Amino acid sequence: SAVISQKPSRDICQRGTSLTIQCQVDSQVTMMFWYRQQPGQSLTLIATANQGSEATYESGFVIDKFPISRPNLTFSTLTVSNMSPEDSSIYLCSVEELYGYTFGSGTRLTVV
Amino acid sequence: QQPVQSPQAVILREGEDAVINCSSSKALYSVHWYRQKHGEAPIFLMILLKGGEQKGHDKISASFNEKKQQSSLYLTASQLSYSGTYFCGTRGGADGLTFGKGTHLIIQP
Repeated sequence: SAVISQKPSRDICQRGTSLTIQCQVDSQVTMMFWYRQQPGQSLTLIATANQGSEATYESGFVIDKFPISRPNLTFSTLTVSNMSPEDSSIYLCSVEELYGYTFGSGTRLTVV
Repeated sequence: QQPVQSPQAVILREGEDAVINCSSSKALYSVHWYRQKHGEAPIFLMILLKGGEQKGHDKISASFNEKKQQSSLYLTASQLSYSGTYFCGTRGGADGLTFGKGTHLIIQP
């Protein structure tokens, strides 16, 4: 299965600032997905990122708050903009394999 | 819509069996099952596709009732390593997964 490197693994950020999370995959993939998981909760899909096109956002998530880049078939970034304490969460990228999805190890974000 | 999982939590003794259920209010293309241990990424366990195809780990079985839009995950002869939170994820089309709230499984020796 694909190996996903996600950076940073954790960060503590001041409110009002932005953080960019990177996701690198060791193989070419068509679609990459970004999820948010609040402590002890389920995973919520933020957006789907296809190479060469605009990301598709789920209800409740907007591009101005969570801009996504997908410059090639192995890399994507998610930026959490103008952060507030409510953005404290774990952010995970994911790729679809032949069967099932593989997840990165996640970025644990704390906004203070 | 988020699929509904039951039960919310299960406590078992090692060697006992468990069944985790997942139901959806919308037509499904596939149902996925994942296990997540604390502080780790979710790990793929099983996918059940419309039409009956299944792919997953040998020691885990699951069923998918397409008509009822329900799936069940069967854990038999549970081991300590089975502990964690189990999520079902549903997919209605060419998009990512919508996950249930999870079932917390605790295996005691």
